[in-house]
Amino acid sequence: EAGVTQFPSHSVIEKGQTVTLRCDPISGHDNLYWYRRVMGKEIKFLLHFVKESKQDESGMPNNRFLAERTGGTYSTLKVQPAELEDSGVYFCASSQEWRTGFTGELFFGEGSRLTVL
Amino acid sequence: AQTVTQSQPEMSVQEAETVTLSCTYDTSESDYYLFWYKQPPSRQMILVIRQEAYKQQNATENRFSVNFQKAAKSFSLKISDSQLGDAAMYFCAYRRRGRDDKIIFGKGTRLHILP
Repeated sequence: EAGVTQFPSHSVIEKGQTVTLRCDPISGHDNLYWYRRVMGKEIKFLLHFVKESKQDESGMPNNRFLAERTGGTYSTLKVQPAELEDSGVYFCASSQEWRTGFTGELFFGEGSRLTVL
Repeated sequence: AQTVTQSQPEMSVQEAETVTLSCTYDTSESDYYLFWYKQPPSRQMILVIRQEAYKQQNATENRFSVNFQKAAKSFSLKISDSQLGDAAMYFCAYRRRGRDDKIIFGKGTRLHILP
C-alpha cells in the first residue's frame, strides 16, 4: 500500500511568485491534514479536509493560502503571492477515522520544503 | 487551548546507552491520545509510540517506552540501547480523543547518536 506522497519535495521561488503543493493521501483515507513547520518552531496545523469538505481551516495564516481537495482524493495547497515568511516544510497527513478501531494516528508524507527568496 | 512543550531542542547519547526525551502538555480534556513521532533526515514522519490517556499502563514498543504521568501532564520517551538509526527529530504530540480533530505538536527534540 502506497503511503502519503507529496510533490514537489523542494521548491525554490522568488517572493511574489506562486507555488502549488500537492498531496496524495493513502487510498481510502477520507481525512487529510496540512501542517507547516517553520525552521526551529513547532509543526503548526493549517487545515483539515474530510473528503472534499473543509472541516477546520482555522490554521490558515491568511488569504494568500488556498487549499482544495476536489473529489475527495488528492489535495493542493497554493500560495499566491509567496512571501519570505512562507518558507518552511509543508506536511500532509491522512487517516481513515470513521472506522472501528481507529487509534488516533495520522500518516504523514515526507513534506514539501518551500524556500522563498 | 492545548499546548505541547518540549524543553530540549537537542540531545546526544552514546550508542547502546539509554536516553530520555521530555514532554509536557496542557489540556483540560480527560480523554486524549499522546504520541511520539520520529522524523529521520529527509524522511517521512513515523509514529514511534502511542498512549491513550485512560490507560494507566505505560506504553512500550520494543526499545521505546514512555513514562506517562497524567496528573503532572508529563509524557517522556525513553529509548534503550540507542542505535545509530535512532538519530532523528522527535516530536511529542497530543490529540483529543474522538474523530476529525487535529494533532498538536511540540517543537521537537533533535537526537544525535554518538558512535
